[in-house]
Amino acid sequence: GENVEQHPSTLSVQEGDSAVIKCTYSDSASNYFPWYKQELGKRPQLIIDIRSNVGEKKDQRIAVTLNKTAKHFSLHITETQPEDSAVYFCAASTSVGDYGGSQGNLIFGKGTKLSVKP
Amino acid sequence: EAQVTQNPRYLITVTGKKLTVTCSQNMNHEYMSWYRQDPGLGLRQIYYSMNVEVTDKGDVPEGYKVSRKEKRNFPLILESPSPNQTSLYFCASSLDSYNEQFFGPGTRLTVL
Repeated sequence: GENVEQHPSTLSVQEGDSAVIKCTYSDSASNYFPWYKQELGKRPQLIIDIRSNVGEKKDQRIAVTLNKTAKHFSLHITETQPEDSAVYFCAASTSVGDYGGSQGNLIFGKGTKLSVKP
Repeated sequence: EAQVTQNPRYLITVTGKKLTVTCSQNMNHEYMSWYRQDPGLGLRQIYYSMNVEVTDKGDVPEGYKVSRKEKRNFPLILESPSPNQTSLYFCASSLDSYNEQFFGPGTRLTVL
């Protein structure tokens, strides 16, 4: 089955610097890669996602890149702010089958705790 | 308001006492899933359901049961809880696993 590895497990940056979190996956059939942000004591929320027919996607200060050949994808946060401090999770899902193309099994990485120092 | 609700939010119980954590969504989503979150292990999928009466095991299904009799509800059942099931549990729903998952507020379970 799919295995998702996420690095680093903790990341500390100065406000205004960039932060990069990397994930690798094992199943070459995976083709949907979301990123979730979880603030302390709250539920995970989607911040950006990418599908395998796209190499890069941006949303303001956040971008995700995907390298299908190497089976890795990365989250880039520019001009970090203290409110970016949270745990970030990557995930991978394979789209096959009858239910609108979804297999159903979403595998998460173990998370990266990002701290942005003022 | 579109939302996923879970009950109870907090539960302390004893080994072997059957319990059910309810999950309900009002977004008419076909896909629902249960995760457990433990420090250093991230989110691990327990069970998921792609439609009514269709459920499948995730990565850590042992000791859990689910049912999907109605589209909006997806209860998680622990027939005989053990201390290693002490965890934070999240229910989520979405159109399918290929789209954004909306998480419930979480249920913190302690099994003594």
